Amino acid sequence: DVKVTQSSRYLVKRTGEKVFLECVQDMDHENMFWYRQDPGLGLRLIYFSYDVKMKEKGDIPEGYSVSREKKERFSLILESASTNQTSMYLCASSFLARTSRTEAFFGQGTRLTVV
Amino acid sequence: ELKVEQNPLFLSMQEGKNYTIYCNYSTTSDRLYWYRQDPGKSLESLFVLLSNGAVKQEGRLMASLDTKARLSTLHITAAVHDLSATYFCAVSYGKLTFGQGTILTVHP
Repeated sequence: DVKVTQSSRYLVKRTGEKVFLECVQDMDHENMFWYRQDPGLGLRLIYFSYDVKMKEKGDIPEGYSVSREKKERFSLILESASTNQTSMYLCASSFLARTSRTEAFFGQGTRLTVV
Repeated sequence: ELKVEQNPLFLSMQEGKNYTIYCNYSTTSDRLYWYRQDPGKSLESLFVLLSNGAVKQEGRLMASLDTKARLSTLHITAAVHDLSATYFCAVSYGKLTFGQGTILTVHP
């Protein structure tokens, strides 16, 4: 079974703190994604990566950065947390689109509260 | 920019009834996905649709894809309470873009 593991289920951070959200996958997937999920807005893509050290901005990258130093690990960084970044963060991974098995597999999510 | 729109966003169904969730997208793509999310849980893959005319069925759920119309449907047959969840469609075009989700509630 594919496993995508996020480092924390719940986090509470203070405004202005630097926050690291970690994600690890064990299926040798090339693609990794970070989404945030807010009521009524669905899932919005923050950043994605299709290879080590490669990253692409998603739809809402402002206030975030990412790091992918190893294929299995993709980190989301909130440089200076703000209350409007309170949300559910979901990490996902998938194979590149050269096979039929391209669906993304999701981690359990991290519910971040910024106070 | 790729846009993915689902409707309805809220669906309240009686057990035993049939209904369809629609997913429209704005840019040509030949890969469409349906996911299910239970409250407080992460997303679970339901279907992967890879070509025009693709149809897949699992239990009471059937998904189809019309790439010319840029439309996918998720049909629910004889709904049961266990199907209550949020359903998302997602389209792959370089990146993976999701619809807003449809919150389905099945009641007796």
